[in-house]
Amino acid sequence: GDSVTQMEGPVTLSEEAFLTINCTYTATGYPSLFWYVQYPGEGLQLLLKATKADDKGSNKGFEATYRKETTSFHLEKGSVQVSDSAVYFCALIYDSWGKLQFGAGTQVVVTP
Amino acid sequence: DTGVSQDPRHKITKRGQNVTFRCDPISEHNRLYWYRQTLGQGPEFLTYFQNEAQLEKSRLLSDRFSAERPKGSFSTLEIQRTEQGDSAMYLCASSRTREETQYFGPGTRLLVL
Repeated sequence: GDSVTQMEGPVTLSEEAFLTINCTYTATGYPSLFWYVQYPGEGLQLLLKATKADDKGSNKGFEATYRKETTSFHLEKGSVQVSDSAVYFCALIYDSWGKLQFGAGTQVVVTP
Repeated sequence: DTGVSQDPRHKITKRGQNVTFRCDPISEHNRLYWYRQTLGQGPEFLTYFQNEAQLEKSRLLSDRFSAERPKGSFSTLEIQRTEQGDSAMYLCASSRTREETQYFGPGTRLLVL
C-alpha cells in the first residue's frame, strides 16, 4: 500500500542553521503531497502542499519540491528560528476519499 | 472560519467504560475525517464522512467504535468498553473537497487507566 517515510528525529539545530527533513513515499499513482506541522500544545496545521510533479510548495520560509523521479518531498528552510521548534509530518492523499497517510513525524529542536 | 473544534480536550476513563467525543467541523465543509495518533507516530485514518454518510472505516476501527454525523453537521465518535490500548489522541479534520486542505481540530487526548 501507499506509505510515507521520513527521517527520524529529534533534529537539533542552532538558530539560523539550514534545515532539511527528508521524506520519501511509495504510491501507485500520483498523490498530492503535504507537510503538516504540530507546535507544542497545538493541533496539526498545514505548512505547505504540492499537487503534481515538479510543483514547489512554500510557506513561512519553508519549501518542498514534488520529485516524481525520486518519489521525494524533502522539506527545507534556509535559516531556522527557535519558533520553528515543532514536529513536522510528511503526508500524502492516497485515495479518492482524500484520506491522508502520514509519516511518523520528525521533531525539530532549535536552540538559541 | 472559526476552525474545527473538539470536545472534550482531555478524557481520563477507567477500562471498560464508554466514552464519546464530539467534533464540530468548519461550517461549509462537507467532508469530515477522524484520525488517531499515538505517541511518537503520525495520525492514522479511522473513518470518513461525506455529509451524513459514513463512506469508509479503517480496519483499526473495531466493533467497539462507532461514529455518526447526523444531518451532516457535527460528528461523534464513541468507544465502548474502553481498553488501555485505546489511549491516544483522537483528531478530527474537515475539508470542502478532496483536493482542498484538511483542517484539523486540537484533538481529544484519551487516557484509559
